[in-house]
Amino acid sequence: DTGVSQNPRHKITKRGQNVTFRCDPISEHNRLYWYRQTLGQGPEFLTYFQNEAQLEKSRLLSDRFSAERPKGSFSTLEIQRTEQGDSAMYLCASSSASVLFGSGTRLTVV
Amino acid sequence: TQLLEQSPQFLSIQEGENLTVYCNSSSVFSSLQWYRQEPGEGPVLLVTVVTGGEVKKLKRLTFQFGDARKDSSLHITAAQPGDTGLYLCAGISSSGTYKYIFGTGTRLKVLA
Repeated sequence: DTGVSQNPRHKITKRGQNVTFRCDPISEHNRLYWYRQTLGQGPEFLTYFQNEAQLEKSRLLSDRFSAERPKGSFSTLEIQRTEQGDSAMYLCASSSASVLFGSGTRLTVV
Repeated sequence: TQLLEQSPQFLSIQEGENLTVYCNSSSVFSSLQWYRQEPGEGPVLLVTVVTGGEVKKLKRLTFQFGDARKDSSLHITAAQPGDTGLYLCAGISSSGTYKYIFGTGTRLKVLA
């Protein structure tokens, strides 16, 4: 296990389509985070899981966004009816002590 | 409300110069982390500071955690073009939230 893995690395989709991203955390980490980052800005917190429980959600996570971590291992982030404003880098991180990040999924909505 | 403010936002310097980046908050943090991020990649962890007043060194980088655990600084000595990137501080405040939040970021460019 070499780190946090995110798939796909890049996604281009048409406005109105649904997209799903996957995150595989470091195996012994029980905490998992999702962030959104736009160009030149720091990452914005979206949601946090401890094991399979989603303990906190940002108000940025609108009704079109949903995240799951069904067995406390990998996690998915789904965006329904994508909008151009959803274009961003979506980052996943996991932690036991230190928070470590994947390389992100860059979403472009056209 | 941004709990972690970084300054400066942008910094362009010549190779060999020294610089300091600041991360400030009105909240107390149990620990703070510093990351460096390059375009198209996720943030890479540089250091974690835990104890008030703590100083950690990583080659030419010196990190300090404020005595009250509300602020931190990153000092780079003799900057090199390879230091170019977005520097981010991050942490969980002691206010009871689970949110691991990031600072506003400092974009550093070191010119050869």
